[in-house]
Formats: sequence, C-alpha cells, structure tokens
Amino acid sequence: DTTVKQNPRYKLARVGKPVNLICSQTMNHDTMYWYQKKPNQAPKLLLFYYDKILNREADTFEKFQSSRPNNSFCSLYIGSAGLEYSAMYLCASSRLGHYEQYFGPGTRLTVL
Amino acid sequence: GDSVTQTEGLVTLTEGLPVMLNCTYQSTYSPFLFWYVQHLNEAPKLLLKSFTDNKRPEHQGFHATLHKSSSSFHLQKSSAQLSDSALYYCALSDRTGNYKYVFGAGTRLKVIA
Repeated sequence: DTTVKQNPRYKLARVGKPVNLICSQTMNHDTMYWYQKKPNQAPKLLLFYYDKILNREADTFEKFQSSRPNNSFCSLYIGSAGLEYSAMYLCASSRLGHYEQYFGPGTRLTVL
Repeated sequence: GDSVTQTEGLVTLTEGLPVMLNCTYQSTYSPFLFWYVQHLNEAPKLLLKSFTDNKRPEHQGFHATLHKSSSSFHLQKSSAQLSDSALYYCALSDRTGNYKYVFGAGTRLKVIA
C-alpha cells in the first residue's frame, strides 16, 4: 500500500484559532514532509521530519509546528491562523536513499 | 537558490495532438528531475524521473529527456488523451542528500474532444 492519508480533506478555521492537520502512511518511510500550495504558485516546503528530527524551512520557521509521535503519523500545527494560511496543505513521505516522494491528496484549509 | 520554471497556466489541446509541457531549471548542483501528475481531487503521483543524461524515461506514453546543456526536462507525449487532463508538476531534488524538492508552479493540461 503506497497510500498517504490526510485528515481532514477540508478544514474551515477562524482567524486567531489553532489548526491541526494530520498525515499518516504505512510504508515505514523515515521522512515525512509538509508543503503549502496556493493557487498559481509552486508547492512550498514548510518542514520535514527525518525519523524524529524536525527540519523547518527558515522563512516559515515561526509559523508552523509539527510533531511525529511515531513513524506513521505526522501533524502540522498552526497556533493562530491568519487569512494568509488559507491554502492546500500536502503531506508526502519518502524512504532514505530514495528520491521519490509519495503524496497525500491534501487538506484544503480556509481561514475566515 | 534552486528554481524550476514551467509552461504557465493552462494548456488546452485537442485529443490526438502531441503534448509538450516545458520545464527548465536552475541548480547549483546536477539535480534529479521529476514529473508529477495530479488528477482532480487526487494526490500528486510520480509520472517520470530522470537520474542520468541520455536516458529517456517513459511511462503511460509520456517521456522526458534531461538535457543538462539547456537545463531542461520537457514532458512529451505523441498523442493526447482525454484522461491526460490533469495538473502537471516539474520538480528537482539536488544531490546534497537532504532529498528536498523544489517545485514549479504547475501546468494544467486540458484535453478536449
């Protein structure tokens, strides 16, 4: 099974409220990624976990948090949502030494 | 930093005509290049990958050739099908070992009868 699952598929949030998005995979991949995709823009890497080590991109360092309680699950956490967080959030995973990433269908977040 | 540039926006083709979606890149290192395809409401899926020059990967009738001299990895198909309608992403991954992708903005292909 090469499926990456994301929950929920659609999320509505209020400005200033927290948001938690969930991703799971059963391929025993050691690396999991989170991307943000806005209309007419390239997917932008936010952060990734290699095993238990979190790596956050410099320009989004303070805006997003993440946790990986076990190999299969990874969350993306926004402490206080702003209108600019409205986007599609894509989760992906890969195995060390393999450059192919497997993607989930995404969670569409709308902040009002 | 690394960057990927794709044919912008929407490409509309009549069924049976050839497909060519452009992808050019800039990278400090000699990267790996990928094409991903995303159908409506589905996850992006790997279509093609190229690791070496002079090797032309093919899948589902699509092919792409990595040309280091022109920093290009254009996606081609001889005859478009209605089912090819989707969003296509070109991406690169450098060889520094962190396995991160840099994506292009995507090209939406619409094939009409």
